[in-house]
Amino acid sequence: GESVGLHLPTLSVQEGDNSIINCAYSNSASDYFIWYKQESGKGPQFIIDIRSNMDKRQGQRVTVLLNKTVKHLSLQIAATQPGDSAVYFCAETPIQGAQKLVFGQGTRLTINP
Amino acid sequence: KAGVTQTPRYLIKTRGQQVTLSCSPISGHRSVSWYQQTPGQGLQFLFEYFSETQRNKGNFPGRFSGRQFSNSRSEMNVSTLELGDSALYLCASSSGQNSNYGYTFGSGTRLTVV
Repeated sequence: GESVGLHLPTLSVQEGDNSIINCAYSNSASDYFIWYKQESGKGPQFIIDIRSNMDKRQGQRVTVLLNKTVKHLSLQIAATQPGDSAVYFCAETPIQGAQKLVFGQGTRLTINP
Repeated sequence: KAGVTQTPRYLIKTRGQQVTLSCSPISGHRSVSWYQQTPGQGLQFLFEYFSETQRNKGNFPGRFSGRQFSNSRSEMNVSTLELGDSALYLCASSSGQNSNYGYTFGSGTRLTVV
């Protein structure tokens, strides 16, 4: 079935350290993956995406890694800042072309000063 | 440009009532998707509309329905409300084209059923 899971529900890091948030997915046919950030009282905000034909993609302070062999996705945030505190969700599009996202349960990232 | 606008932001309804939520997508976006977010189930896909047609549907009962208008604005309706329908309802818009998955979410409508 379709499911996207996350390894940890909470993650606490020191300000300035790097954060790694992990996600496992079950559908090997998934075509497209997205990481979202959700702050309290707001909707999910796009961070970075990656297609299934790629292994790595970098943005500003963020990197997404995709390991299709073990169906694992990770989000790396460099030099975390207080503003990075939020819940992070991975999401996948299970069928190519389908306008439908399957979300993981989310990881709450807390930045300690 | 303006983002995705959802109204109202908050709603309190009584069991058995019905409710209608509204979503205005980003200008030019033709696809509108709806998601339900709860602490227990997380974010779950409800349905997606493109050019006034429902294109995809999630695993929700028939009490949950939606529609899209010619200007791409969408509404979702929940009839015979249950306590378990209390959730944050999120709308996302995109161009709807297969090669472009750029989804943008609104801030949601917080529905509380009492």
